Amino acid sequence: DGGITQSPKYLFRKEGQNVTLSCEQNLNHDAMYWYRQDPGQGLRLIYYSQIVNDFQKGDIAEGYSVSREKKESFPLTVTSAQKNPTAFYLCASSGGANNQPQHFGDGTRLSIL
Amino acid sequence: QKEVEQDPGPLSVPEGAIVSLNCTYSNSAFQYFMWYRQYSRKGPELLMYTYSSGNKEDGRFTAQVDKSSKYISLFIRDSQPSDSATYLCAMNLEGGSEKLVFGKGTKLTVNP
Repeated sequence: DGGITQSPKYLFRKEGQNVTLSCEQNLNHDAMYWYRQDPGQGLRLIYYSQIVNDFQKGDIAEGYSVSREKKESFPLTVTSAQKNPTAFYLCASSGGANNQPQHFGDGTRLSIL
Repeated sequence: QKEVEQDPGPLSVPEGAIVSLNCTYSNSAFQYFMWYRQYSRKGPELLMYTYSSGNKEDGRFTAQVDKSSKYISLFIRDSQPSDSATYLCAMNLEGGSEKLVFGKGTKLTVNP
């Protein structure tokens, strides 16, 4: 089945540690996105990529980094510089042209040990 | 003023009721409007996707967009307990911008 796979489902980070969240899609979508969701807040855009080897900062990029080496994959690294990383992280993808709707994976919940 | 305002609820209705969910927005340039349903601990699932003003119907769901009032609605007819979820509105600009702006979501419970 086509879809977006995020792993792991739950992740724990120690102080000072970088962690990487995986996002893979087999929908042949050009564009991919990372959002952060906190209780009582809407989704906030961290980074997005409209094409391989190119990406742009979203509204809350500080403390995060991404790469887009393959069309199917858009991993997100939460660095030690992100002081409040506990959140639900959502990856999305879209066809990339003509405002095609975004479709989401099932998220990764990151917590601090 | 926030770009997109959505009443967080919670909203509780009996099974079979008609549910009305709403969002208002401030940016008149928004052209594409979406409703997502999110179950607990899951990602948002696209329910409705509309362009500009008007109505769109899909089964028990109807999406309405009133650009003159900057107001969008989602109606759920014959609501079911399985409709219990958080509903997120989202919108973006015409002309190639991919950024979506989301409301904070309305939590709906349909009681059997």
